[in-house]
Amino acid sequence: EAGVTQFPSHSVIEKGQTVTLRCDPISGHDNLYWYRRVMGKEIKFLLHFVKESKQDESGMPNNRFLAERTGGTYSTLKVQPAELEDSGVYFCASSRGQSMNTEAFFGQGTRLTVV
Amino acid sequence: SQKIEQNSEALNIQEGKTATLTCNYTNYSPAYLQWYRQDPGRGPVFLLLIRENEKEKRKERLKVTFDTTLKQSLFHITASQPADSATYLCALVGYAGNNRKLIWGLGTSLGVNP
Repeated sequence: EAGVTQFPSHSVIEKGQTVTLRCDPISGHDNLYWYRRVMGKEIKFLLHFVKESKQDESGMPNNRFLAERTGGTYSTLKVQPAELEDSGVYFCASSRGQSMNTEAFFGQGTRLTVV
Repeated sequence: SQKIEQNSEALNIQEGKTATLTCNYTNYSPAYLQWYRQDPGRGPVFLLLIRENEKEKRKERLKVTFDTTLKQSLFHITASQPADSATYLCALVGYAGNNRKLIWGLGTSLGVNP
């Protein structure tokens, strides 16, 4: 069984540009999460999808961030326009169950650097 | 606000010894607590989950305790091996409104010397 895959693994963009991160969850996992880790800080929750619906987007920093999960399969996270403080590692995770008492599987992360 | 604290200093032990990592939390009562392992350049890998009504959970060489009175979880690796060297993250289920989410600690780096 393939794990959670994220693309790209690294991205370096200039301030003001747009970047789109992609996450392919494990097949059959309805729940998909986005997290971010800024250097020196803890992992922070961004967003939770159940199939194609946004269950909880309370962690999204601002309206420069847009997440989609069309068809309930893969998800994209777009940052437009990117700012310096958006730099960090963006993780995607998926799980079969909806609650937090089930195992979540993480991708390797996308390291975003905004210069 | 809900806060989690893990040993900020790296822990270095000798192979074969037991490693004990600490996770303390304040300002809330989580229903579940999870431990993850993270290697450089990789995403976190789930290890164990313990519920608030469970005092202890074991999986092979791993043991987790959950003391809701002390607001603390301890994570033990017995008969440690160099391959156990990694960062270990504690995560608790917290609430924001009606939504549950994982709240993470910074992690503790463990080094096991051969």
